[in-house]
Amino acid sequence: DTAVSQTPKYLVTQMGNDKSIKCEQNLGHDTMYWYKQDSKKFLKIMFSYNNKELIINETVPNRFSPKSPDKAHLNLHINSLELGDSAVYFCASSQDRFRILSLHFGNGTRLTVT
Amino acid sequence: AQSVAQPEDQVNVAEGNPLTVKCTYSVSGNPYLFWYVQYPNRGLQFLLKYITGDNLVKGSYGFEAEFNKSQTSFHLKKPSALVSDSALYFCAVRDPSTSGTYKYIFGTGTRLKVLA
Repeated sequence: DTAVSQTPKYLVTQMGNDKSIKCEQNLGHDTMYWYKQDSKKFLKIMFSYNNKELIINETVPNRFSPKSPDKAHLNLHINSLELGDSAVYFCASSQDRFRILSLHFGNGTRLTVT
Repeated sequence: AQSVAQPEDQVNVAEGNPLTVKCTYSVSGNPYLFWYVQYPNRGLQFLLKYITGDNLVKGSYGFEAEFNKSQTSFHLKKPSALVSDSALYFCAVRDPSTSGTYKYIFGTGTRLKVLA
């Protein structure tokens, strides 16, 4: 039983295309996140949702649009893909946003833009 | 804003020897600190956290971390390294964002290589 699952695992696409990454957690957590890990392994938060409500929106181009249809799902849609978008995108969840709790990560989606 | 720094890109240690992966922090208020491990092609896995209390925190897989307030450090340790400990290790801090919602800030990562 995978706690946080992301699809697809790999995504190869050309510049200018639009693509989506899906994330689902079966932990019953209220809060979900998107993190971007670049080629140097730096991890940077992009977005966070709590029970379908956007609560963190970092300085991310508006080509990136998260959507949370319910608290178990957080998808990431990217328009007009650019070379610099190539990275590994991680979804994560935590039980809630107030307590000092660990994050549970998915295994990542490796996006390659050519 | 809160931040953590990991001064070493890579740490090499012989199997059976003790290991230390360093982390220093900069926070306003109480520090809430974490260690995570990332194996190849996998997501990060939680190892341990410090909230308050005992300065020595024990976590998964035999790891522990020592919180030192005077040195603003939170170093990860293990008494006897295993080859299977070879991975990428991240220190993290919880940071209250401007909206009042907490987010987690990660260090730059330290690659641990345990040599047989």
